[in-house]
Amino acid sequence: GQQLNQSPQSMFIQEGEDVSMNCTSSSIFNTWLWYKQDPGEGPVLLIALYKAGELTSNGRLTAQFGITRKDSFLNISASIPSDVGIYFCAGPPTGQGAQKLVFGQGTRLTINP
Amino acid sequence: EADIYQTPRYLVIGTGKKITLECSQTMGHDKMYWYQQDPGMELHLIHYSYGVNSTEKGDLSSESTVSRIRTEHFPLTLESARPSHTSQYLCASSESELNTEAFFGQGTRLTVV
Repeated sequence: GQQLNQSPQSMFIQEGEDVSMNCTSSSIFNTWLWYKQDPGEGPVLLIALYKAGELTSNGRLTAQFGITRKDSFLNISASIPSDVGIYFCAGPPTGQGAQKLVFGQGTRLTINP
Repeated sequence: EADIYQTPRYLVIGTGKKITLECSQTMGHDKMYWYQQDPGMELHLIHYSYGVNSTEKGDLSSESTVSRIRTEHFPLTLESARPSHTSQYLCASSESELNTEAFFGQGTRLTVV
């Protein structure tokens, strides 16, 4: 099936640093979704992107829908301890299978106080 | 806050037992999904539904079955649990084909001993 590749797989940063992560695909996506998952909980939707080139913010989080429609980026500014968790990108692949959401492997964020 | 609920949150059960994981949403969403996730790993789609009386297999083969008799309810059943079924099971729903933002329940952590 169609896959989303996230990088980096894990990040270890100091509190207050900015964070950047990305998600790429070999095929075109019309929607990009970014989720955060805390241990033992379900993923929570952070940002949804629907248009190529779109840049959307949610507090300290900013995400962009790549122009090629094959990638997306998530940035977190001035990280705080509660940002710790796993961040997933997701989207419905175009064409056959457009009814379902596929997820990337996740980026695990660890913050040293 | 999403109105999607999963029960039980945790389940420890013996090999060979039949189990049903419950998922209900009060948002009137047509689309519902079941994902399987090992701790800290990516989410794998095992079942999805477009609406009442519609169910489809996901990308990851699963011995579980689902039903969608009512819009709000999407239970998952394992006829005979095995230790290989130990995992976290996440249920999600989304409004329509145009709005693909999916909202997740808190998950059921299943352990088969």
